Amino acid sequence: DQQVKQNSPSLSVQEGRISILNCDYTNSMFDYFLWYKKYPAEGPTFLISISSIKDKNEDGRFTVFLNKSAKHLSLHIVPSQPGDSAVYFCAAGGSNDYKLSFGAGTTVTVRA
Amino acid sequence: NAGVTQTPKFQVLKTGQSMTLQCAQDMNHNSMYWYRQDPGMGLRLIYYSASEGTTDKGEVPNGYNVSRLNKREFSLRLESAAPSQTSVYFCASRGLSSGSFHEQFFGPGTRLTVL
Repeated sequence: DQQVKQNSPSLSVQEGRISILNCDYTNSMFDYFLWYKKYPAEGPTFLISISSIKDKNEDGRFTVFLNKSAKHLSLHIVPSQPGDSAVYFCAAGGSNDYKLSFGAGTTVTVRA
Repeated sequence: NAGVTQTPKFQVLKTGQSMTLQCAQDMNHNSMYWYRQDPGMGLRLIYYSASEGTTDKGEVPNGYNVSRLNKREFSLRLESAAPSQTSVYFCASRGLSSGSFHEQFFGPGTRLTVL
C-alpha cells in the first residue's frame, strides 16, 4: 500500500508561469518530507525539504508547503523555466527511521 | 568527490542468469540503499543497510540479496534473474547528518533488461 501518493502523473506549464505539484501521505509518523528532481538517464537529486514543525520552506524559485492536518504537501516553482522539465518525486520519512517512502513521480514539461 | 558510483550502467541478462550490481560512495556515509524504478511505481526500496554490518529488507526484497562489503560498498545480487526484474536500479547513501533532513544521495543508475 503506497504511503506517499502523487496523483498527477504529468503537468504541462508555460515558461514563466507557476508549476504546482501535489503530494499526499497516509502515515502520521512521517515528520520530514523531501522533493527530488530527476532528469532522464540520471539519478534523482535533492531539491528541497521541510520538517513537520514548519508549514513552509523556500529556496529561490522553489517553495514547499506542508498541511499536516490534511497530510498534504505541495511544491511551487515560480517562475517555471525550461530546465525545470523533469520528473519530480515526493518522499517522506520518520525521524527514527532510516528509510524514505517515495511517490510515483510527476513529469513536468515547461513549454517555451 | 565522485559521490555515489554504480557499475555497470547497462546490462542485458537472460532469464535464470545471475549478476551483481556494484555501488560505492566516497562521502563516508553510514547508510546505503538499493531502489528500483519502474514506470508509474516511483522508487521502491529493495534493501538497505543502516550501518556497516547490518542489512534489512525494504518494500520489494524478493529475488534479491545484498552485501555491505565495507562502509563504502553495498552490492545487490540477482541469483536467478526474471523478466519482472527488468528495471532501473539506483543506489543511494545517507550520512548521519547529511544535507537537509535525512537527504539521500543517489547514483546514476543501472538499466537492467532480463530477456
